[in-house]
Amino acid sequence: QQQVKQSPQSLIVQKGGISIINCAYENTAFDYFPWYQQFPGKGPALLIAIRPDVSEKKEGRFTISFNKSAKQFSLHIMDSQPGDSATYFCAPQKAGGTSYGKLTFGQGTILTVHP
Amino acid sequence: DAGITQSPRHKVTETGTPVTLRCHQTENHRYMYWYRQDPGHGLRLIHYSYGVKDTDKGEVSDGYSVSRSKTEDFLLTLESATSSQTSVYFCAISPGTGGREQYFGPGTRLTVT
Repeated sequence: QQQVKQSPQSLIVQKGGISIINCAYENTAFDYFPWYQQFPGKGPALLIAIRPDVSEKKEGRFTISFNKSAKQFSLHIMDSQPGDSATYFCAPQKAGGTSYGKLTFGQGTILTVHP
Repeated sequence: DAGITQSPRHKVTETGTPVTLRCHQTENHRYMYWYRQDPGHGLRLIHYSYGVKDTDKGEVSDGYSVSRSKTEDFLLTLESATSSQTSVYFCAISPGTGGREQYFGPGTRLTVT
């Protein structure tokens, strides 16, 4: 049962370039759409998230674009830096109520930014 | 860091032995979660807790049990470890904003031989 599909599995970008990672989901009950960043040997950390009432959210070099009708959202990293090299996970969720915010993770995208 | 510790950080055990992993938080957050991470699968939810003594199963709960007798501690027990439970285990906490913001611990690497 693949509720969340993330692509690409891996991505190599030159420093200063744009990194784009996509996430497609099936469950229309999801109402919160976060991206997590994970460095080797560490736990994931919340990077940026969006609610379904907006189509785009920007925080510094990181932008989420959300397409409710297509059931997709994407992460854009502008001016990618070597320090952005990490694994990125989308993890849509149904927040609140009896769902208790359980995360459904995508398979992850390994981003490598070359200097 | 969000005030989460996991113990042990590394453990090697034999098939058939019981194992308990501990998650301890100093944030007094209501929600706690246990996930496992395996290559190609991302992270998958094992069990979660929405209050003291209130727990429920996640996506991959078979072979695992949990307990939460205090707000700060959430224990994950493998009753009889199997090689398929070799994994990295992460605990997460959330302040109860519907679980929207989850903060992860450093992980426990468990190897079952």
